[in-house]
Amino acid sequence: EDKVVQSPLSLVVHEGDTVTLNCSYEVTNFRSLLWYKQEKKAPTFLFMLTSSGIEKKSGRLSSILDKKELFSILNITATQTGDSAVYLCAVEGYSTLTFGKGTMLLVSP
Amino acid sequence: DAGITQSPRHKVTETGTPVTLRCHQTENHRYMYWYRQDPGHGLRLIHYSYGVKDTDKGEVSDGYSVSRSKTEDFLLTLESATSSQTSVYFCAISSDRFSSYEQYFGPGTRLTVT
Repeated sequence: EDKVVQSPLSLVVHEGDTVTLNCSYEVTNFRSLLWYKQEKKAPTFLFMLTSSGIEKKSGRLSSILDKKELFSILNITATQTGDSAVYLCAVEGYSTLTFGKGTMLLVSP
Repeated sequence: DAGITQSPRHKVTETGTPVTLRCHQTENHRYMYWYRQDPGHGLRLIHYSYGVKDTDKGEVSDGYSVSRSKTEDFLLTLESATSSQTSVYFCAISSDRFSSYEQYFGPGTRLTVT
């Protein structure tokens, strides 16, 4: 059975801090790993990762995949209150897409 | 925002009644998905479609059926709703399977089964 585990489950930081969110996985026939941000509505796409060691970057957010150790991290630098959300990791297998339970991030002013 | 709408947005129904949720897209995307999201479980795939009349099961398909008679519409049916199907249901679309950059989620339907 495919499995995706995110840590920590929740996190509170101060504005300006840097945070690292973790996603480890076990999946048959790995195809890709995806990160989403979910505020009080539908998830919105952040990154798709397919190759090890290649950092994807968008503004203050970046992510990298390690296919040997089966994990990914999502970094957010200089956090802002608008970064408060649940961050979801999902892994695509041959015919499946499995989500983790998410990390709830709260950025306090 | 991608052209995805879900109806109804909220529904309360009684145990044992049939319920149909509708997902409508205006993007002409090939793939459509139904997920449910529950506290402690995250998002789980129920069914997906890769074309008109082409569907497949996801992780939690028991108790659900789907139909896609037109590219733009993907229906999720609970034949006989149970309290365990109380959840928020999201529809998503993509031009390619799962890992497309263009997987967009609809606004969600909150279903309560009493």
